[in-house]
Formats: sequence, structure tokens, C-alpha cells
Amino acid sequence: EVQLVESGGGLVQPGGSLRLSCGASGFSFSDHWMSWVRQAPGKGPEWVANIRKDGNDKQYVDSVRGRFTISRDNAKNSLYLQMNSLRAEDTAVYYCVRNLGWYRGDSWGQGTLVTVSS
Amino acid sequence: QSALTQPRSVSGSPGQSVTISCTGTSSNVGAYNYVSWYQQHPGKAPKLMIYEVNKRPSGVPDRFSGSKSGNTASLTISGLQAEDEADYYCCSFAGSSTLGVFGGGTSVTVL
Repeated sequence: EVQLVESGGGLVQPGGSLRLSCGASGFSFSDHWMSWVRQAPGKGPEWVANIRKDGNDKQYVDSVRGRFTISRDNAKNSLYLQMNSLRAEDTAVYYCVRNLGWYRGDSWGQGTLVTVSS
Repeated sequence: QSALTQPRSVSGSPGQSVTISCTGTSSNVGAYNYVSWYQQHPGKAPKLMIYEVNKRPSGVPDRFSGSKSGNTASLTISGLQAEDEADYYCCSFAGSSTLGVFGGGTSVTVL
């Protein structure tokens, strides 16, 4: 059974940093693109970042490019999202998603809440 | 303002059919056959229901079907059941230089 478990969310002040982690199990992690998707309270989801199987191709939504960095450690079956210069509008539940291609997100974690507030 | 436009809500009685539209542009929905649909119950993660316009993942009931015409994609739920009450989001590939885009979501109510 595919399992994705996020951690690292919490309350952070504007301008601060946070690192999210996602542990994967039940499938061959290194064979899949992975993504982070966020959902602000009462809003629809938003793709935030994608990373290729080998970690050498990364894509970001314009609103986070230059502030967020997606990475992975295939030896540890783990996905990460380093978030810097956080803003109030980054407040959301962040999901780790297995992306089978063309935004076919077939497996999602339970999500971790990030709140940016003073 | 979402890139894809969906009705805010639709409703139907048990056993009826409902259709949710998802209108994009010639740069996303109209350009590619990579439209997916997600179901989300309150407090839960989204669940993939349809991908590549009209394909169903294993385990998704065949009551759910997808289609596309021009810049508009549609999700139809036939034989509506109580457990279908949820929010539904469409998503489209929008080219290699940008990430996929979601619609604003449609709340389905089973009367």
C-alpha cells in the first residue's frame, strides 16, 4: 500500500523558514516524479513544485520560485520542501503527492499545516 | 481567481445524474488531453477520480465519467449516491513551462 506521511508544519513568523518532509513507503520511490501541492483555508488546491525521479529537474509555481526549494533523497525514500522568506499567503495545508505524469496525482499524504503569522 | 472556471455548486437527488463543467482556455484544457478530476471530502486529502480526460483509476466506480469539448471539460456522476457529496476540482496540464492549474472547485450536494 502506498503511504506518504508529511511532517514539519507549524506556526512561523513572516520572513521565517520551515522545512517540510515526506516519508514514502509501499512503492519504488525513485521511479516516480513527486510533487508538493498546497491548499489555503477555504480555497482550491495549487501545485507548488514538482521534482523528477533523479532530482535533476525541478519546477515551481511563480509565487514561490526563488523562495522554496524542492528536493529528494531516494536512498531515504524522502521528499522535502525548504520554504524561506515565508509570507502570510503561504499559509496552507501542504500535501506530498505521487505524480504519475501530466498532473495525475494518484496518492496523497494526509497533509501538514503551515501557518505564517506574527 | 482560478485559471479554470467551475460552477460553485451543483445538486441532485439520489439516483440522478449531475454534470460539473470546467472551462479553461486554448492554453490549457483546449490544448491537451490531460484533464484530471479530484474529489475531496471535508478534512481529507483530494482523491483522483479521473485522469487524461476520461480514464478512471482502479477502484473508482464507473458512475464517474469524464469528457471534453473544446476548452471545456466535464465530470458526470451518474446514479448519485450520498457518499458522492464532496468538493470536486478539475486540473489541467498547461504546458511544460508552467505547473498544472486547478479550478476553483464545485460543491456537490445530494438532496
